[in-house]
Amino acid sequence: QKEVEQDPGPLSVPEGAIVSLNCTYSNSAFQYFMWYRQYSRKGPELLMYTYSSGNKEDGRFTAQVDKSSKYISLFIRDSQPSDSATYLCAMGPWDTGRRALTFGSGTRLQVQP
Amino acid sequence: KAGVTQTPRYLIKTRGQQVTLSCSPISGHRSVSWYQQTPGQGLQFLFEYFSETQRNKGNFPGRFSGRQFSNSRSEMNVSTLELGDSALYLCASSLVLAGVLRGDTQYFGPGTRLTVL
Repeated sequence: QKEVEQDPGPLSVPEGAIVSLNCTYSNSAFQYFMWYRQYSRKGPELLMYTYSSGNKEDGRFTAQVDKSSKYISLFIRDSQPSDSATYLCAMGPWDTGRRALTFGSGTRLQVQP
Repeated sequence: KAGVTQTPRYLIKTRGQQVTLSCSPISGHRSVSWYQQTPGQGLQFLFEYFSETQRNKGNFPGRFSGRQFSNSRSEMNVSTLELGDSALYLCASSLVLAGVLRGDTQYFGPGTRLTVL
């Protein structure tokens, strides 16, 4: 079983919809959580970054972490065709010297105009 | 501020050859991590360098190696290439505060796409 599970999709939504992307994890050592967006043939681009349980908002994006359930989410409001990409959750341990991220497999999102 | 740069962007090699990929981190960033991305396995951590020392290593064979220079630039080398090494190789850099090696935000470069024939 993978340490991080993410539904690969594809997820197709109409423009303006609210999108919910999710990951579950099994390793309790994971303490910081990130969401990346990756366009085809490009490197991942950091969207959101959080250490703590609860919600963190940045523009149209909200990251939610529930450490007790080992579940994280990314919400995209007012989705746009330019949001069409693969979304990757990533997480890592906090302990000294460890910066190796474990990624989910990615969810492919298509926003239809 | 310029982002993470990787060279070359594309490479074609044949089985048995070796290859060296280069990464220049964001100015001021001292940690460089390498990842391999394939359709089947997704993004997998290879290794991380900080202050010219390998700090962490993923579960890859010894054919995969790397190094970091005093200016924080990093190279990774793959020897005796196999067909399964065809992948997008991504480099990520992190700002590490002096004396603190905790988890930190990683910023990715565009990657080097390696094709092994």
